Amino acid sequence: GDSVTQMEGPVTLSEEAFLTINCTYTATGYPSLFWYVQYPGEGLQLLLKATKADDKGSNKGFEATYRKETTSFHLEKGSVQVSDSAVYFCALSSPDGNNRLAFGKGNQVVVIP
Amino acid sequence: GAGVSQSPSNKVTEKGKDVELRCDPISGHTALYWYRQRLGQGLEFLIYFQGNSAPDKSGLPSDRFSAERTGESVSTLTIQRTQQEDSAVYLCASSLASAANTDTQYFGPGTRLTVL
Repeated sequence: GDSVTQMEGPVTLSEEAFLTINCTYTATGYPSLFWYVQYPGEGLQLLLKATKADDKGSNKGFEATYRKETTSFHLEKGSVQVSDSAVYFCALSSPDGNNRLAFGKGNQVVVIP
Repeated sequence: GAGVSQSPSNKVTEKGKDVELRCDPISGHTALYWYRQRLGQGLEFLIYFQGNSAPDKSGLPSDRFSAERTGESVSTLTIQRTQQEDSAVYLCASSLASAANTDTQYFGPGTRLTVL
């Protein structure tokens, strides 16, 4: 079945550092790929998405490129801020699965001033 | 406009009791999803409604779980004879339509269920 794998463990880094969170997927067909973010005390919200191979999603300085050849959708930001501290979830939506989202386990990101 | 709303925000119940969780989707959204987020885990799909079509119940973990939706509005998720492993945050999401898997799902704030 469809699945998403995120790198293990929380990520702690200093302000202005470069952030990468790895995400790989397994899916039938051509899924759409998403990054959702959950800020402390808030609900889950869409950060960015890409719906076909080689598309790049971007928002708030974050970027992710849909790589079909490596089945990956890694999230990057060049210079993080304390306000980026949150839990980040990678997800996919398969056209064969009633468009339900399959999520990775999430990564807690802590940015230290 | 208003987002997805859920009630109650928190629910504490005793093992063996039934609970009912409510979701109000964004007006005009025909697709509605329920997910569960257990501690330290990603979200698990539970059930999906699209218009008047038969719901996709393939994610429900047992026959103690059921859900209903009235037309294209409110949905309720019912858990009968709750068990401690049902403790989780239950999230509802809605989207405009599910004709394509490119649609963005908008999530509610969730209901935190604790079964003692």
